[in-house]
Amino acid sequence: QSALTQPPSASGTPGQRVTISCSGSSSNIGSHHVYWYQQLPGTAPKLLIYRNDQRPSGVPDRFSGSKSGTSASLAISGLRSEDEADYYCAGWDNSLSGVVFGGGTKLTVL
Amino acid sequence: EVQLVESGGGWVQPGGSLRLSCAASGFTFSSYEMNWVRQAPGKGLEWVSYISSSGNTIYYADSVRGRFSISRDNAKSSLDLQMNSLRAEDTAVYYCATPAILTGTEFDYWGQGTLVTVSS
Repeated sequence: QSALTQPPSASGTPGQRVTISCSGSSSNIGSHHVYWYQQLPGTAPKLLIYRNDQRPSGVPDRFSGSKSGTSASLAISGLRSEDEADYYCAGWDNSLSGVVFGGGTKLTVL
Repeated sequence: EVQLVESGGGWVQPGGSLRLSCAASGFTFSSYEMNWVRQAPGKGLEWVSYISSSGNTIYYADSVRGRFSISRDNAKSSLDLQMNSLRAEDTAVYYCATPAILTGTEFDYWGQGTLVTVSS
């Protein structure tokens, strides 16, 4: 069982806006920044959002992140077929003295 | 260009040992904290171990503590993971990474991963 809780699946049609939630606790999200990764099959994770809401260069502004208390969310607007992937939230956990990942959300573009 | 290249994966019987290596290039390796992260087939990402830039601070996930050992050689820009007493549940792709979670910036690099299969 992951320290960060994500819905196992999400879906949307092209052009729609989809949000993926990530719920944690005071020892992780409540105390530290949240990071979001996108993973395509057979590839290493790719950073989408760092420090809760910052986008690395090259990541489209269709992707946005937010955090409130012990929860965070990733929003994808203008959904495209190439957004179909697994998405993970992550952060540091004081209690575990390590990195924690959410269980992952499989996004399907219908 | 930043590169992290893992090696050493393969098939091993339960109870056996394996040593993974990660060769880093394109950045000042000695300045960065490093992680090993693994992903079992069809499953999510699981953090395995952390080592500080100097190597003085090390952390392990509960699932591997006492069996795995992380180390680094800053002179050679390399990171290792010694895995002993391997179990079937250790079967996974192992990634060497210097993730943004540790840098706090968009500096986030992962290797291509190396597959470890533990099976009789």
